[in-house]
Parts: sequence; C-alpha cells; structure tokens
Amino acid sequence: EVQLVESGGGLVQPGGSLKLSCAASGFTFSDSTMDWVRQASGKGLEWVGRIRSKANNYATAYAASVRGRFTISRDDSKNTAYLQMNSLKTEDTALYYCTRRDGAFDYWGQGTLVTVSS
Amino acid sequence: LPVLTQPPSASALLGASIKLTCTLSSEHSTYTIEWYQQRPGGSPQYIMKVRSDGSHSKGDGIPDRFMGSSSGADRYLTFSNLQSDDEAEYHCGESHTIDGQVGVVFGGGTKLTVL
Repeated sequence: EVQLVESGGGLVQPGGSLKLSCAASGFTFSDSTMDWVRQASGKGLEWVGRIRSKANNYATAYAASVRGRFTISRDDSKNTAYLQMNSLKTEDTALYYCTRRDGAFDYWGQGTLVTVSS
Repeated sequence: LPVLTQPPSASALLGASIKLTCTLSSEHSTYTIEWYQQRPGGSPQYIMKVRSDGSHSKGDGIPDRFMGSSSGADRYLTFSNLQSDDEAEYHCGESHTIDGQVGVVFGGGTKLTVL
C-alpha cells in the first residue's frame, strides 16, 4: 500500500522558517518525482514545487510565489522528501500536501498545516 | 502561462447526470488537463487525464460512470447516475514545460452538490 505521510507543520511567525517532511512507502521512492502542493483554507490547490529523481539529476522547479524562499530536497536512503521554507509570509498559511508525480498526481498525503502568524 | 477556469459550484439530483467544465485559456486550448476529486476533509484523488482530442485515461479504481471529453478549450468531466459519495470539490490541473520552465496550474475548483 502506498503511503505518503507529511510532518513538520506548525505555527511560525512571519519571516520565520519551517521544514516539512514527507515519508514515503509502498513504491520505489528513488525512481519517483515528488511534488508539494498547498491549499489555503477554503481555497483551491496551488502547486509549490517539484524534485525529480537521481536519474534526472534531482532537478527542482518552483512556483514563482515561493522561488528563492523555498527549497525542495530528498533523501532516497530514508524515502523522504523535504520542503524547507524560509522568509515565511502570512500568505504561505495553508495545508501542505506531498504528492507523487507519475503522469499525474497519483498519490497524495494527508497534508500538514502551516500557519504563519504573529 | 495557462489559465484554467472552473465554475465555483454545480448541483444535480441523485441518480442524474452532470458535466463539469474546465476551460483553458485560448492560446493553450490544445493542452491536456487532469481532474482531481477532493471529498470534504480529505486529500485530492486523481480521477483522469483528458486530452484535446477527447480521449481520457482514468486512475485506478475510477468507475465507468465517470467519463472525460473535450471541445475546443473546454475539458469535461461527466458523471452518470450521480451518487451521494460524488459530492466533493473537483479540481482541474495542467502540468507544462514552457521555455524550459516546469510549472503546474490548477483551476479554482468546482463544488459539486448532490441534491
């Protein structure tokens, strides 16, 4: 059974940092492209960014709204993807989902809530 | 960049049929889109991919009463024999590489109510 489990969310002040984790199981993580997608309360989905596999040089891509502030990484030995978020803004408040990209977003985690507030 | 437009809400009677629409910006009318279902309090679930020629590819376990189609810049998700379980938010999304830049765009979502 495929599982994606996000963790690391919480309350942080504007300008602060937070690192999210996504632990994967049930598929070959090292061959997979992993994305982060967020959803503010009552709003639609917003793509955050992507990291590809070692075979694709761990290439990353980011939405314009987070580029330069957020960094996606992975540790294939731990089957885990990460989202490092710096210089957080109130508009970054959202539920953050980890998802596998294989022609579509075929598996999703349950999400971890990030709240940016003073 | 592509823009995807969805009506914010739709409703239909239990057992009826309904077609949800996702409209691509005109200059991106040949793009393929993906449909996702998000039940209240749940995570999104992949339903299908719909191409400009109307062909579609469903995710695992998606029932036959879910169908995809296309007309011009519009991509459709049609439900037949609506069930109460179909009441959910439906998102369309599109993944692209333009000028070497990877990106994903989602529509605003349509909340489907089953009456």
